[in-house]
Amino acid sequence: DGGITQSPKYLFRKEGQNVTLSCEQNLNHDAMYWYRQDPGQGLRLIYYSQIVNDFQKGDIAEGYSVSREKKESFPLTVTSAQKNPTAFYLCASRNTEAQPQHFGDGTRLSIL
Amino acid sequence: SQKIEQNSEALNIQEGKTATLTCNYTNYSPAYLQWYRQDPGRGPVFLLLIRENEKEKRKERLKVTFDTTLKQSLFHITASQPADSATYLCALAGGYQKVTFGIGTKLQVIP
Repeated sequence: DGGITQSPKYLFRKEGQNVTLSCEQNLNHDAMYWYRQDPGQGLRLIYYSQIVNDFQKGDIAEGYSVSREKKESFPLTVTSAQKNPTAFYLCASRNTEAQPQHFGDGTRLSIL
Repeated sequence: SQKIEQNSEALNIQEGKTATLTCNYTNYSPAYLQWYRQDPGRGPVFLLLIRENEKEKRKERLKVTFDTTLKQSLFHITASQPADSATYLCALAGGYQKVTFGIGTKLQVIP
């Protein structure tokens, strides 16, 4: 079955460390997204990519970086510049503008 | 700025009754609106999409209405079951980037 796979499910970051969250999809979708979810807040868009080798900043891109070298993959790096990285991170994809997004099951990032 | 409001408190309902969840929005003219279900520790799962020119959409026990004059969507679950207990997210969309999510309403169906 097609879907989105996020890994790892849980991740711990030390001070000053960069960590990378993986997102892979086999739905053949062009567009991919990264969201952050905090308690009491809606999903907030970090980065999105409409096509390979192209990506755009979302509403809260500071302290994060992405790459889109393959259609199937959209990894997110949480850099040491992100001072409050503890959150639930969700990756999503969709095919065309009027279609719903398909989500992975998230990565929960915590600080050691 | 764009704003989406959903009942932020939990909604408790007796099994078998109809649950009605509300999504209000301001400063937005969405092309379409979506509802998702999210279980604890999981990603949201798409339920229904309704376009701006549609008044109502149904899928099995689910019904969504969309009133662009009132800037409101109602999400109904008829004959609710304990398995329907989850958080339900409303999302407005107008393009590839512009998908804005509400904080969700937590529904608890009591047996």
